[in-house]
Amino acid sequence: SAVISQKPSRDICQRGTSLTIQCQVDSQVTMMFWYRQQPGQSLTLIATANQGSEATYESGFVIDKFPISRPNLTFSTLTVSNMSPEDSSIYLCSVAGGAYQPQHFGDGTRLSIL
Amino acid sequence: AQSVTQLDSQVPVFEEAPVELRCNYSSSVSVYLFWYVQYPNQGLQLLLKYLSGSTLVESINGFEAEFNKSQTSFHLRKPSVHISDTAEYFCAVSVLNAGGTSYGKLTFGQGTILTVHP
Repeated sequence: SAVISQKPSRDICQRGTSLTIQCQVDSQVTMMFWYRQQPGQSLTLIATANQGSEATYESGFVIDKFPISRPNLTFSTLTVSNMSPEDSSIYLCSVAGGAYQPQHFGDGTRLSIL
Repeated sequence: AQSVTQLDSQVPVFEEAPVELRCNYSSSVSVYLFWYVQYPNQGLQLLLKYLSGSTLVESINGFEAEFNKSQTSFHLRKPSVHISDTAEYFCAVSVLNAGGTSYGKLTFGQGTILTVHP
């Protein structure tokens, strides 16, 4: 399976600031996804990152709050903008090699907002 | 829309005892089914998957799950657990489109925390 590296692994940020999370994969993948895992909760899909086009956002998530880039088939970024304490979560990147392939996850970015 | 229900939020067991973690799903179309495991302070690791074929799937570390279409279930079992199996386990589904391929989006259950006591 693909090796996925997420940076940073954790951060503590001030209210009102923004943070960009990077996801690097060691091979080209068709699909990349960003999930949020709030404290004590399950995972919720934020958006699907499409190479060469706009990301596709799930209900309840908007581009202004979570802008995403996907410049090539091995890299994506998620920005959490204008952060508030409610954004304190683990953010996970996942990839899938194709339509029949299961998703594999990075170790996540643990974000705390003060 | 699809949904996943994990019936137990926490399951405590003693080492070497059998365990079953229950997962039921709801979907009007065909799905792929997955179990992921999350160890403390780590990301999710794929434990096993059901895409097609045999309804009983196994992992390399002794877990197995059986797809039951009539009961819309995908329960995870292990005949004898170890301390190292202590983790949170997530059941997930991926909806298939008309062409039989996955949209890729995963819908997760709420997770079951398995705690193995010595």
